[in-house]
Amino acid sequence: GQQLNQSPQSMFIQEGEDVSMNCTSSSIFNTWLWYKQDPGEGPVLLIALYKAGELTSNGRLTAQFGITRKDSFLNISASIPSDVGIYFCAGRNRGSTLGRLYFGRGTQLTVWP
Amino acid sequence: EAQVTQNPRYLITVTGKKLTVTCSQNMNHEYMSWYRQDPGLGLRQIYYSMNVEVTDKGDVPEGYKVSRKEKRNFPLILESPSPNQTSLYFCATASFLRAGKNSPLHFGNGTRLTVT
Repeated sequence: GQQLNQSPQSMFIQEGEDVSMNCTSSSIFNTWLWYKQDPGEGPVLLIALYKAGELTSNGRLTAQFGITRKDSFLNISASIPSDVGIYFCAGRNRGSTLGRLYFGRGTQLTVWP
Repeated sequence: EAQVTQNPRYLITVTGKKLTVTCSQNMNHEYMSWYRQDPGLGLRQIYYSMNVEVTDKGDVPEGYKVSRKEKRNFPLILESPSPNQTSLYFCATASFLRAGKNSPLHFGNGTRLTVT
């Protein structure tokens, strides 16, 4: 199946620092999504991107749909302890049906106070 | 309140004993899907359903069955569970907003399955 390469695998940062993570695919995607998963819960959508070049913010979070359509990144500014969790990128490639959604392996974020 | 409800939350079973994990949603969503989450592998799609009586394989369908007899329910069936199916399972749902797009996935809170 389609592989999404998400990096880094884990991050350990101090409160207040900015965070950046990214996702790349081997094929062209027409949808990029970013999710966050808190311990013991299901993932929750943070940002959805539908157009190449699109830059979207949600509070301290900003995500972009790469112009090549093969990548996306998520930035978190001024991190706080509640940002801790696993962040997943997900996407749908141009050739797949609407129902097929692929996920990256996740970035585990730890924020030290 | 919009909900995706999975049952049970935790299940320990033995190899070969058939089991069913239920998923129910109250949002009238057309689309439902099952994922398994394993350390270092992220979320992998098992099966999905675009509507009642329509199901398709995801990336890792082997050893699983699903059915979609009614819109709100999408059970995951393991006819003969094996230890490599020990995992955290998530059900997710979405509606279709317009051609080519669907609403964000709404996830349940997961079912942690252990097969010994």
